[in-house]
Amino acid sequence: NAGVTQTPKFRILKIGQSMTLQCTQDMNHNYMYWYRQDPGMGLKLIYYSVGAGITDKGEVPNGYNVSRSTTEDFPLRLELAAPSQTSVYFCASSYTGQYSGANVLTFGAGSRLTVL
Amino acid sequence: EDQVTQSPEALRLQEGESSSLNCSYTVSGLRGLFWYRQDPGKGPEFLFTLYSAGEEKEKERLKATLTKKESFLHITAPKPEDSATYLCAVQATYGQNFVFGPGTRLSVLP
Repeated sequence: NAGVTQTPKFRILKIGQSMTLQCTQDMNHNYMYWYRQDPGMGLKLIYYSVGAGITDKGEVPNGYNVSRSTTEDFPLRLELAAPSQTSVYFCASSYTGQYSGANVLTFGAGSRLTVL
Repeated sequence: EDQVTQSPEALRLQEGESSSLNCSYTVSGLRGLFWYRQDPGKGPEFLFTLYSAGEEKEKERLKATLTKKESFLHITAPKPEDSATYLCAVQATYGQNFVFGPGTRLSVLP
């Protein structure tokens, strides 16, 4: 199994450009997440989804958008890129059932984005 | 507000020199506390989940423990391949978010 796959691994954007980070998982997980990781800071949640067609904001959603049309895919859209969006982005997924305990996250390898 | 802090920020050990990493947390209701390992250029990899105070889990040279306010990751006789950043996270009983600490960067020298 591939697990969680993110593309691209690296990208440089100019201020004001837009792009989409792709994320796909093949584990039939219902929950998917987007985090950003900045040096010296913990991972911060951008958006998450509890299933196809359902998304919700996390701690730092401004400047981003998501959609979840299938169980497998959860793309993250950056509109009007700004230098503050320079970061490493991680997609993660987990399975949560009605009687599940704490969720274990499976992460992708990350996408490093630089906005100049 | 839920918070997680980790100490030290960085730790350098000689091979075989045992030590502990600390994770302090505040959360209104704990669903689970997690330890992840992150290698440079890669995503975090799951190590342990702890659910209640007094619980302990072990995996090879790693042992995680939990109290009502802290968790420790004990590393016994570490090897250079244990070098990585170790992340602690908590999940509250409400909501779906995880609060991550900034991590401890561990270097084990041969």
